[in-house]
Amino acid sequence: GAGVSQSPRYKVAKRGQDVALRCDPISGHVSLFWYQQALGQGPEFLTYFQNEAQLDKSGLPSDRFFAERPEGSVSTLKIQRTQQEDSAVYLCASSSRAPTTQYFGPGTRLTVL
Amino acid sequence: QKEVEQNSGPLSVPEGAIASLNCTYSDRGSQSFFWYRQYSGKSPELIMFIYSNGDKEDGRFTAQLNKASQYVSLLIRDSQPSDSATYLCAVRSSYRAGSYQLTFGKGTKLSVIP
Repeated sequence: GAGVSQSPRYKVAKRGQDVALRCDPISGHVSLFWYQQALGQGPEFLTYFQNEAQLDKSGLPSDRFFAERPEGSVSTLKIQRTQQEDSAVYLCASSSRAPTTQYFGPGTRLTVL
Repeated sequence: QKEVEQNSGPLSVPEGAIASLNCTYSDRGSQSFFWYRQYSGKSPELIMFIYSNGDKEDGRFTAQLNKASQYVSLLIRDSQPSDSATYLCAVRSSYRAGSYQLTFGKGTKLSVIP
């Protein structure tokens, strides 16, 4: 079946703009994770959903970051008033249930000018 | 602060040799350990996971776990140029109930020389 998909693949934003990044998990996967990967670094956890419930948002770096998954499938990560330090690849991963293997999407590369 | 440490490399090995990638972690409560491969500009791809002390083999790959030493490694036998990538070690800790996040190291860049 299809893997995790993300859109857009690339996003350029001017500092101060709001952006929305979309993730379509593998069909039937109840757990969904967002990670941020800066250049030359490993991915860093942002937030975790089980179905529509956001169970862990401890990794969100500021209140400018907001994630939702209203119907327990597609998720959106929103960044308000983007800053240059937000430039990174944003990875979405899903798993059939929380403790099992996480499969990653292709990521969205965000560049804030 | 949970930490996962990897040598950033680059690690260069000749084609056909064994590549050895190492990872240490700080949280003794860690339960599950994963190796992901990431090609430049691509997303991480799972290679192996290991939960129990000892070795786990899958084709040319062997993962080794020593919880007492808080050490996990990945051996790649008969290395091929197509194995050239960054290898990410990831750890799932149990320090907080309901938290299933992975903590990643910075990755080791492997280069297999033809």
